[in-house]
Amino acid sequence: SQQGEEDPQALSIQEGENATMNCSYKTSINNLQWYRQNSGRGLVHLILIRSNEREKHSGRLRVTLDTSKKSSSLLITASRAADTASYFCATGPFFSGGYNKLIFGAGTRLAVHP
Amino acid sequence: NAGVTQTPKFQVLKTGQSMTLQCAQDMNHNSMYWYRQDPGMGLRLIYYSASEGTTDKGEVPNGYNVSRLNKREFSLRLESAAPSQTSVYFCASSPNSGSGYFGPGTRLTVT
Repeated sequence: SQQGEEDPQALSIQEGENATMNCSYKTSINNLQWYRQNSGRGLVHLILIRSNEREKHSGRLRVTLDTSKKSSSLLITASRAADTASYFCATGPFFSGGYNKLIFGAGTRLAVHP
Repeated sequence: NAGVTQTPKFQVLKTGQSMTLQCAQDMNHNSMYWYRQDPGMGLRLIYYSASEGTTDKGEVPNGYNVSRLNKREFSLRLESAAPSQTSVYFCASSPNSGSGYFGPGTRLTVT
């Protein structure tokens, strides 16, 4: 399986603190994506980082990718209670056809307390 | 622009019954996917379709069939439902090598 694995499984922090989640994967990838899922809802795409990129920012989100270690991290700075959700990484394995077969990890459950 | 739509939102089946979950996207994406999510778990890929007319098995295809009717629509069929198929089912679409867009999910209970 090319499933990503998130670490930690659960994270509890106070508002204003930073939250860091990690993702490891097993095989070569075309890109890696991070998603958020609020309880009982569908997944929302946060950020995509391609295999030739090392770091990407979007608002309070910072994603890094280390293809030599087959790992990625998602940093949420100055967290808010509204950031409480599960966060998943998904790997897009490289295929010659150039399409994605997104494989998800089990996710990190983030709780941000006021 | 509705994105990805799924029907129904909720369904209760008895063991052995069949049903089809419908999914449609209006973003002109080539790739479409069906996932299932069990409580406290990540998403597991059931089937995917890289383009109209093609489908491939994912991680957990047993007990399911799919049909890519056209570029917009990708349906998932349970021929003989089992309690182990109780789950939340998500449909998604993406452009080639791009980000996934997810539907709101279908909560299926098999008794």
